Amino acid sequence: KNEVEQSPQNLTAQEGEFITINCSYSVGISALHWLQQHPGGGIVSLFMLSSGKKKHGRLIATINIQEKHSSLHITASHPRDSAVYICAVIGIYGGSQGNLIFGKGTKLSVKP
Amino acid sequence: DGGITQSPKYLFRKEGQNVTLSCEQNLNHDAMYWYRQDPGQGLRLIYYSQIVNDFQKGDIAEGYSVSREKKESFPLTVTSAQKNPTAFYLCASSPFGGEGEQYFGPGTRLTVT
Repeated sequence: KNEVEQSPQNLTAQEGEFITINCSYSVGISALHWLQQHPGGGIVSLFMLSSGKKKHGRLIATINIQEKHSSLHITASHPRDSAVYICAVIGIYGGSQGNLIFGKGTKLSVKP
Repeated sequence: DGGITQSPKYLFRKEGQNVTLSCEQNLNHDAMYWYRQDPGQGLRLIYYSQIVNDFQKGDIAEGYSVSREKKESFPLTVTSAQKNPTAFYLCASSPFGGEGEQYFGPGTRLTVT
């Protein structure tokens, strides 16, 4: 079983829709990242959070440490939001201590 | 502009040849990382370095080697011992080791035939 699970794997939305991507993890963590990877391959960090909620423009990230779950929301989605969204956690135990553990990503396609 | 550069963006090699991927950062970050990305899989850690002249194996280090002679540079050599070298390789850096936000380079797509 993967230590970081994302759902859905693929998501197609119409422009303007509210989008939610989920991330569940099974290890102890010190923080969680949400990353965005565009078709060219480059990765941009969207959020790093260890509790509560963060907002940046149309993007909102929440985390529930007790439930080991995080969500990334996109309000008023736009075709330029089309990308792969990756959840990654910083493990605090064992061989992965201090290093990022990645989910497989959610491929989002927003149609005009 | 501060950032991470990787070169080249696309690299083609014949099987049996060693190849070195470049990663340079001017962010004054202490920690640097190399990841491999394969279709349908999450990024996997190859090697990381917390400080100059020190580096540690990640989850999939076999067939790879690195050096960290300068703070700015963390080159990755894909050796002929790596059984499936064709992949997308990403370099990243972080100011605080594993505890801080990581900044990623644009990646190098390596194809070995």
